[in-house]
Amino acid sequence: RKEVEQDPGPFNVPEGATVAFNCTYSNSASQSFFWYRQDCRKEPKLLMSVYSSGNEDGRFTAQLNRASQYISLLIRDSKLSDSATYLCVVTLRVNYGGSQGNLIFGKGTKLSVKP
Amino acid sequence: DGGITQSPKYLFRKEGQNVTLSCEQNLNHDAMYWYRQDPGQGLRLIYYSQIVNDFQKGDIAEGYSVSREKKESFPLTVTSAQKNPTAFYLCASSIRWSGGESSYNEQFFGPGTRLTVL
Repeated sequence: RKEVEQDPGPFNVPEGATVAFNCTYSNSASQSFFWYRQDCRKEPKLLMSVYSSGNEDGRFTAQLNRASQYISLLIRDSKLSDSATYLCVVTLRVNYGGSQGNLIFGKGTKLSVKP
Repeated sequence: DGGITQSPKYLFRKEGQNVTLSCEQNLNHDAMYWYRQDPGQGLRLIYYSQIVNDFQKGDIAEGYSVSREKKESFPLTVTSAQKNPTAFYLCASSIRWSGGESSYNEQFFGPGTRLTVL
């Protein structure tokens, strides 16, 4: 079973639409959760951390469900500039051979926002 | 400005040649990482270093080597033993993992090096 799973997409949506991405993780020892954004042929950049209580940053809302091992990202009022690949990322709490704290990346969900 | 630099941006090498990718950071981070990304794939960890003069193998270390002689620098050598070296290579850095429930280790990435082996 893959450690972090995401729907690869692509999600093709019109400007102004609301779009939701989901992510599941397999290791219950996962501690920290993030959404990174990666533009085409560029490096990933942190979009937002995901806290147990959920968090919001402008048009972006992230939710965490530890019981279901599920993370979500909601983008409201999509802009053309939101077009990118969104990476779900987790870190482990326990130390597997010194890997504690290392990031585990999903393969990403591609979003394309059309005019 | 603080950040991570990788050079060169594009690199072409003949099969059988070793090649070294540069990664430098001035963020005063203890931890540094090397990832490989193939088309349509997630990032896979090659090597990481939590402190100077120490490094650990990641998930796909075979055919690669690293050194960490200075805090600011973490070069990656792609050796001729790496069977499929053509890929996008990303370097990252973070504060050192301190453990505990509140540990937070956002990784900052360099712009990457696209290596093509002909």
